[in-house]
Amino acid sequence: KQEVTQIPAALSVPEGENLVLNCSFTDSAIYNLQWFRQDPGKGLTSLLLIQSSQREQTSGRLNASLDKSSGRSTLYIAASQPGDSATYLCAVRGAQKLVFGQGTRLTINP
Amino acid sequence: ETGVTQTPRHLVMGMTNKKSLKCEQHLGHNAMYWYKQSAKKPLELMFVYNFKEQTENNSVPSRFSPECPNSSHLFLHLHTLQPEDSALYLCASSQEGAGLTYNEQFFGPGTRLTVL
Repeated sequence: KQEVTQIPAALSVPEGENLVLNCSFTDSAIYNLQWFRQDPGKGLTSLLLIQSSQREQTSGRLNASLDKSSGRSTLYIAASQPGDSATYLCAVRGAQKLVFGQGTRLTINP
Repeated sequence: ETGVTQTPRHLVMGMTNKKSLKCEQHLGHNAMYWYKQSAKKPLELMFVYNFKEQTENNSVPSRFSPECPNSSHLFLHLHTLQPEDSALYLCASSQEGAGLTYNEQFFGPGTRLTVL
């Protein structure tokens, strides 16, 4: 059974810092990995999708990497801003099923 | 309307009530999903519909009854719920098919359900 773990559970950093969020998964037989952002009480916004054959994806200040063999992914956020404050979720896909981690709650302090 | 929409956004119901959640996707996708997000637990997949056919029921109690009349609409019918069913219910859609790269799932804003 696939299990996804995100560390840390919460992170608070000053504005302007670069930061890394971590995601690990137990079964490397995945089709892709998705990073999402969730604002309090809201739905999920897809940030980046990495296919199993890819090593990384970039969108603006975000860069996600995938090491399938070691069961790890990182989300790098450059030059963090207060508007980046949210919960970040990673999810791995096997067949049609997304399995989610519990998320990292990120707070960017002005 | 764009993306995935859900109604209502908030719902309060008693344990003896019957209500329905509605999801509509405007993305031309052929697969739709219901997820449950409870406090302090990861998002859990409940149901998957492919081309209007249910392809997965993730051991969900029968008090939750999904319906997918066409590839754009998905309902979740609720009856005799328990207080522990209070959660954020999220709908998602994606484009699936043989030979396609497995695609992103796009989520709606969710329905915040409170069972009294």
